[in-house]
Amino acid sequence: DGGITQSPKYLFRKEGQNVTLSCEQNLNHDAMYWYRQDPGQGLRLIYYSQIVNDFQKGDIAEGYSVSREKKESFPLTVTSAQKNPTAFYLCASSIQENTGELFFGEGSRLTVL
Amino acid sequence: KQEVTQIPAALSVPEGENLVLNCSFTDSAIYNLQWFRQDPGKGLTSLLLIQSSQREQTSGRLNASLDKSSGRSTLYIAASQPGDSATYLCAVQPNYGQNFVFGPGTRLSVLP
Repeated sequence: DGGITQSPKYLFRKEGQNVTLSCEQNLNHDAMYWYRQDPGQGLRLIYYSQIVNDFQKGDIAEGYSVSREKKESFPLTVTSAQKNPTAFYLCASSIQENTGELFFGEGSRLTVL
Repeated sequence: KQEVTQIPAALSVPEGENLVLNCSFTDSAIYNLQWFRQDPGKGLTSLLLIQSSQREQTSGRLNASLDKSSGRSTLYIAASQPGDSATYLCAVQPNYGQNFVFGPGTRLSVLP
């Protein structure tokens, strides 16, 4: 079955640690995205990528980093510079950048202890 | 800057009712509008995508309409079931090549 796989589903981190969230898709989509979801707020865009080895900052990129070494993979690193990292993180993809339907993974919940 | 609102924030209805969820946006010039469903602790599931040239889309018991001039989209759910209980989000793509802007969602509870 085609889809987007995010791992881990739950992650706990101590303050000062970097963590990496995995996102893999087998939909053959060119574009991939990372969003952050907080209670009572709409999804906010962190980073997005149109093609391999290229990515752009979204609205709230500070404290985050990404890479796009393969078409299928778009990992997100939450660095210690992110002041309030506890949130639900969602990965998405679309056929092309900002064209057509968005498809989402199941999400990863990060909690900072 | 495009802003998206969804009112009410929460809604409870008895099973079997037909219901309408609202999505409002501030700029009528949009490219795409997409409705999603989100179950607690889960990702978003795409329900319907309406392109700017379309006025509505239908899938099973769901019908989404788009009125760009009034800055509104509605999601109509016919004969609601307890399994429809979830949060429903709409997202607006302001223009080709621009990122989607998401509303905060409406949390729907369908009571048996």
